[in-house]
Amino acid sequence: GDSVTQMEGPVTLSEEAFLTINCTYTATGYPSLFWYVQYPGEGLQLLLKATKADDKGSNKGFEATYRKETTSFHLEKGSVQVSDSAVYFCALSGYSSASKIIFGSGTRLSIRP
Amino acid sequence: EAGVVQSPRYKIIEKKQPVAFWCNPISGHNTLYWYLQNLGQGPELLIRYENEEAVDDSQLPKDRFSAERLKGVDSTLKIQPAELGDSAVYLCASSLGTSGGANEQFFGPGTRLTVL
Repeated sequence: GDSVTQMEGPVTLSEEAFLTINCTYTATGYPSLFWYVQYPGEGLQLLLKATKADDKGSNKGFEATYRKETTSFHLEKGSVQVSDSAVYFCALSGYSSASKIIFGSGTRLSIRP
Repeated sequence: EAGVVQSPRYKIIEKKQPVAFWCNPISGHNTLYWYLQNLGQGPELLIRYENEEAVDDSQLPKDRFSAERLKGVDSTLKIQPAELGDSAVYLCASSLGTSGGANEQFFGPGTRLTVL
């Protein structure tokens, strides 16, 4: 079945460092891909998404490109801030079941001032 | 615009006791979802409603879990009796629909359940 694998955390970086969180997926057809973020004490929020191959999703300085050839959707940010500390979830919505989101296990990110 | 509202935010009960969680989706959202999130894991879908109809409850453990969405708006998720392994965060989400741009899901803050 469809699945998402993302790099395990926790990831700890200094402020202004470059961030990459790896995500790969397994799915039939052409899924939509998402990154969700969960700040402490808050609900999951959609950070960005991409719905077809080579699409780039971006928001709040974060980017991820839908790479069908490598079945990847890695999250990147050029200069992280303390306020980016959160748990990040990679997810997919399958072509055959657009309403069902399958999540990765999450990566906890901590940014040191 | 108000987001998805859940209550209570925290609940501590003893095993074998019943517990209920309540969710109020975003106004106008026809689709409502309940997810289970274990510690260190991503959310997993328990049940999805289209208006008042449960259209996907394949992951809901029906021996002890039940859910309802009587008027197609608010929803309640119940566990009876609770077991130690039910300790987790229960998330509610809603979306306008399930196709195209309408399927973006908006999540509530969750209810953290601790079973002692």
